[in-house]
Parts: sequence; structure tokens; C-alpha cells
Amino acid sequence: EDKVVQSPLSLVVHEGDTVTLNCSYEVTNFRSLLWYKQEKKAPTFLFMLTSSGIEKKSGRLSSILDKKELFSILNITATQTGDSAIYLCAEPADRGSTLGRLYFGRGTQLTVWP
Amino acid sequence: EPEVTQTPSHQVTQMGQEVILRCVPISNHLYFYWYRQILGQKVEFLVSFYNNEISEKSEIFDDQFSVERPDGSNFTLKIRSTKLEDSAMYFCASRRAAGTDTQYFGPGTRLTVL
Repeated sequence: EDKVVQSPLSLVVHEGDTVTLNCSYEVTNFRSLLWYKQEKKAPTFLFMLTSSGIEKKSGRLSSILDKKELFSILNITATQTGDSAIYLCAEPADRGSTLGRLYFGRGTQLTVWP
Repeated sequence: EPEVTQTPSHQVTQMGQEVILRCVPISNHLYFYWYRQILGQKVEFLVSFYNNEISEKSEIFDDQFSVERPDGSNFTLKIRSTKLEDSAMYFCASRRAAGTDTQYFGPGTRLTVL
């Protein structure tokens, strides 16, 4: 059973469009939610959302956490071809553990056409 | 900016052979991880390592796998007798301290078992 569920699994848009990627998660003792961008190889860190930081923004990317409804969204405005990647959402093991294993969703494959 | 490095980038081996995948985590980080991603599937946790010992391992990390931190900088994953199903991308990650959940990933080693 997946702890982290992402949707849609894939998305194709044109440059300039705005996209919204979804991530729902389970929580026993919520710690944080992380977003990564995976291009050819390694996941690269985008945002970490916590109880004290439920909105993050960096340039055209922004993310919001809804702790009540147990989901997060990642928004990308004015998309560019360089945004084409798999976007991964991950939840660490619960608050009782400091060991930090991450549970990943299956990702959203975003393709931006010129 | 410091980053996690991994070698080799691609390893091809025959079934039954031993392989060692190498990682150099970010220098002031204390927690180290191995994950794998089978083609088309999600990133899966293998093992975490802290204070020179394994702190957590998944059900995937059986007796064929071992990890080591032989010196102050390297972190290795050994697969003793590779199977076809071990073919995957293996990512090393590191985390600075217990107070943060952000893990930084290396570029990965693609392991192909023939």
C-alpha cells in the first residue's frame, strides 16, 4: 500500500501553461513533506513543507501543504521546456523516528512542449 | 555547492558476481542512505547508516547486501552475488542532522546484471 500517492502520473503541456501537481500522503505523526525534481538521474531537492512552513515559493515554482486534508500541491507557472522532468513527492518516516527514511510517490512525469 | 558523488555511473556485471557501488556523501552530513529505482518504478529505500552502523533497513536489504563506511569520506554498498532483479539505478543520499529531513541525492549508479 502506497504511503504517498501522486497525480496525475503524466502531464503534457505547452510552454507558458501553468500546471498543478498533486500529492496525498498518510500521516501517523506528521513531520514534513518533500518535493524533488528528477531529470535524467538524481532527484534534486525543491521544497520541504512542515507544520511551520506550509507554503514555499521559488521563482515560478510554489508549493502548499494542507495538513487537514493531507495533501500538497506543486504549482509551476509559465512552464518552460526545462521544466520537463519527473516530480517526486516524499514523506519521511514518522516523528518518532530520527532515522529519516523517505517514502516516495510514483511521481508525475511532466512534459513541456515548445 | 557541495554535492553527493557516486562512482561508477554505470556498472555492467554477470549474474552471481559481486559489485561495490561507491558514494562520497556531503562532508558535514551525518546520516547516509541507499535507495534504488527499478526502471519505471518508484524510488525505494534500502538502508540508512548513522554513527558507523546500520540504523534501519528495508525488506529488500537482505543478506546479499552490505554497507560500509571504510574511511571518513566513502560510503559503499556491496551486493555479494548479483541477481537479474538487482538491475536498477542505485542512489546514495545524505542528510546533515536529525533536525532536518532534507536528503541530498547523488547522480546514481546504473547497475545492469546480465
